Amino acid sequence: KAGVTQTPRYLIKTRGQQVTLSCSPISGHRSVSWYQQTPGQGLQFLFEYFSETQRNKGNFPGRFSGRQFSNSRSEMNVSTLELGDSALYLCASSSAAGGRTEAFFGQGTRLTVV
Amino acid sequence: SQQGEEDPQALSIQEGENATMNCSYKTSINNLQWYRQNSGRGLVHLILIRSNEREKHSGRLRVTLDTSKKSSSLLITASRAADTASYFCATEQGGISSGSARQLTFGSGTQLTVLP
Repeated sequence: KAGVTQTPRYLIKTRGQQVTLSCSPISGHRSVSWYQQTPGQGLQFLFEYFSETQRNKGNFPGRFSGRQFSNSRSEMNVSTLELGDSALYLCASSSAAGGRTEAFFGQGTRLTVV
Repeated sequence: SQQGEEDPQALSIQEGENATMNCSYKTSINNLQWYRQNSGRGLVHLILIRSNEREKHSGRLRVTLDTSKKSSSLLITASRAADTASYFCATEQGGISSGSARQLTFGSGTQLTVLP
């Protein structure tokens, strides 16, 4: 069974630009979550999607958005990039709702904003 | 914000020794999960323990959960150089029905170094 796939693996963008990251969950998994990891703030929850609906959102500005497609693949978008958005962005997929099963993570997308 | 803290922040041991990491959290949970992360890469799931469980084993891993103290520990026995990584605990709150949203809240992590 293929794991969670995130593309691209590395990205360099300039302040003010926007970026779109992609996540393909494990086949059959309908819940996709996104996390930001930085040295200063650690791992922080961005949002979660299930059946194309955002069910939960973390404490991030509106510049951070996402969506999920009917095949469960998800994208997250960051507009008007700031230097502080430089981070490892991780996507996780889960099979069942309700906290009964583990989340599987992708390798992440390393975003550098210059 | 972080759910809690992990202790110690860094741990250095010799190969063959046991490593114990602790995690504390603040709110009630429905499960707690441990993950490993090799430098700058994705998180690898190690073990999940539900709030009604007190201990769980998986290979060389042993996890305990004390919900009255809001704490968990991860024991890695007979450590190997390949165990060198950062270890994170993550808690999940919320309901357990099929409609409940999923969200993990992570601790700050323990950096484990196993010396050959």
